[in-house]
Amino acid sequence: QQQVKQSPQSLIVQKGGISIINCAYENTAFDYFPWYQQFPGKGPALLIAIRPDVSEKKEGRFTISFNKSAKQFSLHIMDSQPGDSATYFCAASLIGNEKLTFGTGTRLTIIP
Amino acid sequence: KAGVTQTPRYLIKTRGQQVTLSCSPISGHRSVSWYQQTPGQGLQFLFEYFSETQRNKGNFPGRFSGRQFSNSRSEMNVSTLELGDSALYLCASSLSLRSSNEQYFGPGTRLTVT
Repeated sequence: QQQVKQSPQSLIVQKGGISIINCAYENTAFDYFPWYQQFPGKGPALLIAIRPDVSEKKEGRFTISFNKSAKQFSLHIMDSQPGDSATYFCAASLIGNEKLTFGTGTRLTIIP
Repeated sequence: KAGVTQTPRYLIKTRGQQVTLSCSPISGHRSVSWYQQTPGQGLQFLFEYFSETQRNKGNFPGRFSGRQFSNSRSEMNVSTLELGDSALYLCASSLSLRSSNEQYFGPGTRLTVT
């Protein structure tokens, strides 16, 4: 019940396109869903996060869409740029509990 | 504000030895969590400390331990190292507010066990 499933494992998108990464969770008690971006040799960096009381959150080119009934959430990167090439992780936790359960990661490559 | 710092950045140890890794959280952050990252298992939660007390623990053997000091700095220790302990060990800090779980990661310590 603690799993977070992430897809796809890898994704290639043309510059200017939309990158979409999906995650599904099992534990209905989860109430905090962040996305992290990780470059080689660096630690994960918090990108954007959402609580289940909203269905969408947007910050710049990054948008989280959340579907509580389907227990799914996704990251959309608009106008994808080569600098967005990185590994992206979704995660879930309970508010007030610092333990993050991570998805398996998506390696995103943006090609010119 | 300075970010989360971890020392050392790289470490090579021999099987059977022990190792201590250090983490300094963002100023004002009282919670420190540790994660292990490997290509096979991904990012896995080790434990979390708050006010010098272990508040949460993942599914790792007792060889993995940690502690937190009064200034919120944290250390983790791995005893009797095994080849499978080779990984990137990440530390994350947070304010640990009831309304927010925002955690910020350090650059990690790359541990290689030979």
